[in-house]
Amino acid sequence: GAVVSQHPSWVICKSGTSVKIECRSLDFQATTMFWYRQFPKQSLMLMATSNEGSKATYEQGVEKDKFLINHASLTLSTLTVTSAHPEDSSFYICSAYGLAWENTDTQYFGPGTRLTVL
Amino acid sequence: DAKTTQPTSMDCAEGRAANLPCNHSTISGNEYVYWYRQIHSQGPQYIIHGLKNNETNEMASLIITEDRKSSTLILPHATLRDTAVYYCIVNGEYGNKLVFGAGTILRVKS
Repeated sequence: GAVVSQHPSWVICKSGTSVKIECRSLDFQATTMFWYRQFPKQSLMLMATSNEGSKATYEQGVEKDKFLINHASLTLSTLTVTSAHPEDSSFYICSAYGLAWENTDTQYFGPGTRLTVL
Repeated sequence: DAKTTQPTSMDCAEGRAANLPCNHSTISGNEYVYWYRQIHSQGPQYIIHGLKNNETNEMASLIITEDRKSSTLILPHATLRDTAVYYCIVNGEYGNKLVFGAGTILRVKS
C-alpha cells in the first residue's frame, strides 16, 4: 500500500510559539491531503482538506489563521500551528489518497504527530 | 455520506475469528464500505473496502449483505496485535473526506 510519513513524530513547545508539521506521500503523488486532530479517548476529527496549489478548505469551527496549511507540491503538505496554547495539545494526523487495487484509490494515513504545548 | 453504527466494544480469544459488524442502512448505490483500524497512538491503518461483492485480502475479509445495509469485517485468526479500534466508514466520492465515528474497540485476549 501507499506510504505516508509525518515529521516530527512528537514535539513539545512553549505556549505562544509556532510549530510546523510535515506530511509526505513517499511513493505516490497526492493532489489532496487531509489533516485530522484527535484528542485522548476521542475519534479523529477532520480539520481541513489540503489541495495542491490552492487554498485549503477548513471544517466548520477550525480557525484557518491559527492552523495554516500549505500544499506546495504533490508529495508535501504542511500544517503550522501558530501561537500554540495548551488546548492545542493533541495528536495530529494527515492522510492522502493513493492507489489501492483495481484502480480504486483509498485514503492512507500518516503515523501522526503528538503535540504538547506547555 | 451515509452514517454507520458499530458496537462500542468486543472481545475475542486469540486464534479465533473476530467478526466485527457494521450497520449502514442509508448507504447509497455508489458508496463504498471502508474499514480502518487504529492501534493506540498510531495513525489509522487501511484494512479493506468493498462496494457490493465480498472482498478478501491478506489482512481480512469483508462480507457485505445483499441489500448492502450491513457488513461484517472478519479477522480469521485474531492475535494480540489485532487489539485496536476498528472503524467502519461509508464513502462514495473519490477524493472525498472520511468521517470517523466512534468505532469498535476490539480486545483480543490470550
